[in-house]
Amino acid sequence: GEDVEQSLFLSVREGDSSVINCTYTDSSSTYLYWYKQEPGAGLQLLTYIFSNMDMKQDQRLTVLLNKKDKHLSLRIADTQTGDSAIYFCAEGHGSSNTGKLIFGQGTTLQVKP
Amino acid sequence: GAGVSQTPSNKVTEKGKYVELRCDPISGHTALYWYRQSLGQGPEFLIYFQGTGAADDSGLPNDRFFAVRPEGSVSTLKIQRTERGDSAVYLCASSSNPGSSYEQYFGPGTRLTVT
Repeated sequence: GEDVEQSLFLSVREGDSSVINCTYTDSSSTYLYWYKQEPGAGLQLLTYIFSNMDMKQDQRLTVLLNKKDKHLSLRIADTQTGDSAIYFCAEGHGSSNTGKLIFGQGTTLQVKP
Repeated sequence: GAGVSQTPSNKVTEKGKYVELRCDPISGHTALYWYRQSLGQGPEFLIYFQGTGAADDSGLPNDRFFAVRPEGSVSTLKIQRTERGDSAVYLCASSSNPGSSYEQYFGPGTRLTVT
């Protein structure tokens, strides 16, 4: 079945880089996503990568995809205290009957000043 | 423009009661999704609407859960005979790309607490 796994917690110092990792099982996934959730707030789409790409950069964010190993990572450069949140990896399909997203359990990023 | 809105933001109910949760999608979005997020977990898919019809309800946990979208816009998630295990944040998302996971926009959620 479909499954997405993430490590639960990451702590970094302000100004360092953060790397959040994710593994997934569905080889037919078309898109892979990173969402951010701050306390009391809804899910915010940070970035996504299409499955035929291996890297995508968007300002301080870099997404790396290893499709062979079904491994996705999110690197945040120059991490700030405002980046403290829960980060969810999700997989989805560009064209299917549903378009439903399968989420990991989330990685809590703690940024220490 | 206005995003996805959900009401109420918080709902406390007693075990055994009936509740309705409402979602207002982004105007013009034909696809609407409901997810449930339990404490410490990621969101889990419940149901997907394309227009007025439920195209995929495979995520509904049992027949106490039901959702409607009668005019293809606002959707209501209905839970009968609530149980303590139903306590969670219920999230709604909408998309202009039917059947695609691409660019789903999420609302702030309704926190349901069953006592």
